[in-house]
Amino acid sequence: KNQVEQSPQSLIILEGKNCTLQCNYTVSPFSNLRWYKQDTGRGPVSLTIMTFSENTKSNGRYTATLDADTKQSSLHITASQLSDSASYICVVASGGGADGLTFGKGTHLIIQP
Amino acid sequence: GAGVSQSPSNKVTEKGKDVELRCDPISGHTALYWYRQSLGQGLEFLIYFQGNSAPDKSGLPSDRFSAERTGGSVSTLTIQRTQQEDSAVYLCASSLRGASKNIQYFGAGTRLSVL
Repeated sequence: KNQVEQSPQSLIILEGKNCTLQCNYTVSPFSNLRWYKQDTGRGPVSLTIMTFSENTKSNGRYTATLDADTKQSSLHITASQLSDSASYICVVASGGGADGLTFGKGTHLIIQP
Repeated sequence: GAGVSQSPSNKVTEKGKDVELRCDPISGHTALYWYRQSLGQGLEFLIYFQGNSAPDKSGLPSDRFSAERTGGSVSTLTIQRTQQEDSAVYLCASSLRGASKNIQYFGAGTRLSVL
């Protein structure tokens, strides 16, 4: 069964600090991996999308890495801001199935001033 | 439109009543998805429309749930005889084609509360 596991479940850090969120997956076949940011009361918004051959991709202060061999990904947030408080969802696309997507449960990140 | 639009944003209903949730996808997107998001849980796939093909209903949890997409654009998710366990946020997303190779754009969701 395709699964995406995220850790930690929740995280609290001080404004200005860096943090790293983890995503482990068992999805086959693998097409791509996405990270979404979901603000409270809003729908998820795509941050990055990486294919098998991509090891890292950045979007401003967000940097995602992918190790296709170990089936792990991380999302690193640099110099956190209050607006980074949100849930971060890892999604793996397999190219198969109804929508071909397996969603993680997300990491709830809180940035404190 | 500029993005995926869902209405209503909030819906409170009594147990046993029927509800209709609406989704306006991004113009030109052929693929449309409905998901359910319960507190502390990941997104649960419900149904998927792709162009004129028959929808994939494999994620619908019971026969009380149904959805249609008229004219390849607007979609309506209907829940009949609502139960308290139906309380959740219902998210709609659209993509240019299939989501496995294209970015999904999500609406803000409809928060359904069944009393």
